[in-house]
Amino acid sequence: EAGVTQFPSHSVIEKGQTVTLRCDPISGHDNLYWYRRVMGKEIKFLLHFVKESKQDESGMPNNRFLAERTGGTYSTLKVQPAELEDSGVYFCATQRDRGVGYTFGSGTRLTVV
Amino acid sequence: AQSVTQLDSQVPVFEEAPVELRCNYSSSVSVYLFWYVQYPNQGLQLLLKYLSGSTLVKGINGFEAEFNKSQTSFHLRKPSVHISDTAEYFCAVSDSGGSNYKLTFGKGTLLTVNP
Repeated sequence: EAGVTQFPSHSVIEKGQTVTLRCDPISGHDNLYWYRRVMGKEIKFLLHFVKESKQDESGMPNNRFLAERTGGTYSTLKVQPAELEDSGVYFCATQRDRGVGYTFGSGTRLTVV
Repeated sequence: AQSVTQLDSQVPVFEEAPVELRCNYSSSVSVYLFWYVQYPNQGLQLLLKYLSGSTLVKGINGFEAEFNKSQTSFHLRKPSVHISDTAEYFCAVSDSGGSNYKLTFGKGTLLTVNP
C-alpha cells in the first residue's frame, strides 16, 4: 500500500506569511494525526481527526493554526500568520485501528525567518 | 497525563557492540508502548510495539524491547549493532482504552554507531 504523503517536504517563509501543509493518508485510514517537533524538543501531538471530524485538538498551539480534513481524505494544516516559533518539523500520521501502530509521513520541515 | 523519559539523549557505540536505549514512562492508565526510529532525512518508522501478552517484544532489524510494568520501563535492546542502525530512536506511549489515541513521545535518543 502507498504510504502517508506529505508536502511540501521543506518550506521557508517569512514571518507573517501564510503556509499550508498537506497530508495524504493511506486509503482506508480513518484516523489522521498531526504532530510537531520543534528543534531540540520532543515530538508533540497537535490534533486527531476521525474521518472528517476533529476528535481531539487539545495540542493546537493557538488560533493561528487551522486544520481541516476534506471529506475524510487528505488533510491540511494552515499557519496564518506564521511566527518564528512555528519553525519545526510537522509530521502527519494515520492509523486504521487503535493499537496497530501509526504510519508516519516523512514530515514537512518549516522554517520561518 | 502521561510522560515519557528517555534517559540518554545520545548513545555512541562501536559496531557489533550491544546497545540498550532506556525508556521510562508515567501514566495513570494502562498503556500501549512503542519504539519508533528516524533515519537521517526520513520519517518515523515503527520498530516494535507492546499491546498486551508477552512482555518481550521483537521488532524489525533485530531489535527487541521488554515491558516491565513494576518499573514502568520499556527499554530497547540489540545484541550487535551495525553502522546502518545510526538514527534517532523515540519511545512513545498511548492510552490502551477510552477515546484518547494520541501518542506521547520521549525526547529521543541519538544512536551513533562507529566503525
